[in-house]
Amino acid sequence: EDQVTQSPEALRLQEGESSSLNCSYTVSGLRGLFWYRQDPGKGPEFLFTLYSAGEEKEKERLKATLTKKESFLHITAPKPEDSATYLCAVGANFGNEKLTFGTGTRLTIIP
Amino acid sequence: EAQVTQNPRYLITVTGKKLTVTCSQNMNHEYMSWYRQDPGLGLRQIYYSMNVEVTDKGDVPEGYKVSRKEKRNFPLILESPSPNQTSLYFCASLRLGGTGELFFGEGSRLTVL
Repeated sequence: EDQVTQSPEALRLQEGESSSLNCSYTVSGLRGLFWYRQDPGKGPEFLFTLYSAGEEKEKERLKATLTKKESFLHITAPKPEDSATYLCAVGANFGNEKLTFGTGTRLTIIP
Repeated sequence: EAQVTQNPRYLITVTGKKLTVTCSQNMNHEYMSWYRQDPGLGLRQIYYSMNVEVTDKGDVPEGYKVSRKEKRNFPLILESPSPNQTSLYFCASLRLGGTGELFFGEGSRLTVL
């Protein structure tokens, strides 16, 4: 059974204080590792897809990395508008395009 | 604008009263799916559809039905809602053979009393 565990559950940072979110996963053949952002009362918004160990992707202050067992979302010099819940998910090679999600990290950036 | 539209966004109902949550996408995606999101459990797949007239169960299908008569629409039907179906529901779609990115709707918050 595919599993995704995210840590920490919640993280409070001062504006400009860099940090990383962790996503550990087990999957029967990785099709892709996905990061989403979710704001309160909204649907998840796609950020990145990583396909193989060693791959990295960047978008503004966010950088996602992938190993065979985990992924990190690095946030550099965050701003208050980066406050959201960040969701990690895996898709398996075999199946129906389903994504298995973690429970998310709720990130708060304090001005 | 590319989007997945769900209705209603908020609904309070009573046990046993049939309801339908509609979902429509304007991206010509073949694949559509329903998820529910509960605290501590994350997003879990209810049903999915690979194309018109092709639907199948996800991880938590009990108490739900779906249909896919048109490519753009994928309604979720609760024939006899129960309190344990109180949840936040998301419809999602993607283009088969693409990047695997799921596009989500804004969500429908359902409360069953």
